[in-house]
Amino acid sequence: DAEITQSPRHKITETGRQVTLACHQTWNHNNMFWYRQDLGHGLRLIHYSYGVQDTNKGEVSDGYSVSRSNTEDLPLTLESAASSQTSVYFCASSQLRQGEQYFGPGTRLTVT
Amino acid sequence: DAKTTQPPSMDCAEGRAANLPCNHSTISGNEYVYWYRQIHSQGPQYIIHGLKNNETNEMASLIITEDRKSSTLILPHATLRDTAVYYCIFLREGQNFVFGPGTRLSVLP
Repeated sequence: DAEITQSPRHKITETGRQVTLACHQTWNHNNMFWYRQDLGHGLRLIHYSYGVQDTNKGEVSDGYSVSRSNTEDLPLTLESAASSQTSVYFCASSQLRQGEQYFGPGTRLTVT
Repeated sequence: DAKTTQPPSMDCAEGRAANLPCNHSTISGNEYVYWYRQIHSQGPQYIIHGLKNNETNEMASLIITEDRKSSTLILPHATLRDTAVYYCIFLREGQNFVFGPGTRLSVLP
């Protein structure tokens, strides 16, 4: 069955380190999205991509970057992790740009 | 602004229908209403979406008022596993999903 996976599921890192969170989908969807979820803020869009080599900033993109070298993967990189980036991160994909999105299980990141 | 209004919380008895309301008075004619839910610690799960007509799938029914300013998600026979936060969203053309606080549904035994 097609699916979307994220790794690692849990990560603890130190302030200032570079961290990359992986997202992989086997639906062959062109559209992929990264969100973060914090108490009191709900889900907020970080970056998204509508296809290979395409990336776009979302609502809370500062301190994050993404790259899209193939259809299946959209890794999220925290260039220099900050305590404010402690959060749960969700990746999603969709067949249509504005169609239903299918979410991964999430990565819980703690920055100490 | 693509804003919806939902009650912050609701209770429902197990086995009964859960009716979750959503107000989206600023929706435009070609904008779909989407419903997602998020069970504790899991990723959001797509439930259903609709434009004008009522929709039904294996998970739920979606009733949209004729003026499209509000909708109701119906879980016909709620179970304990339906306890979750339910999000009602509509997409502005060219924009992305904006998840609000949603409705926390508690299904009680």
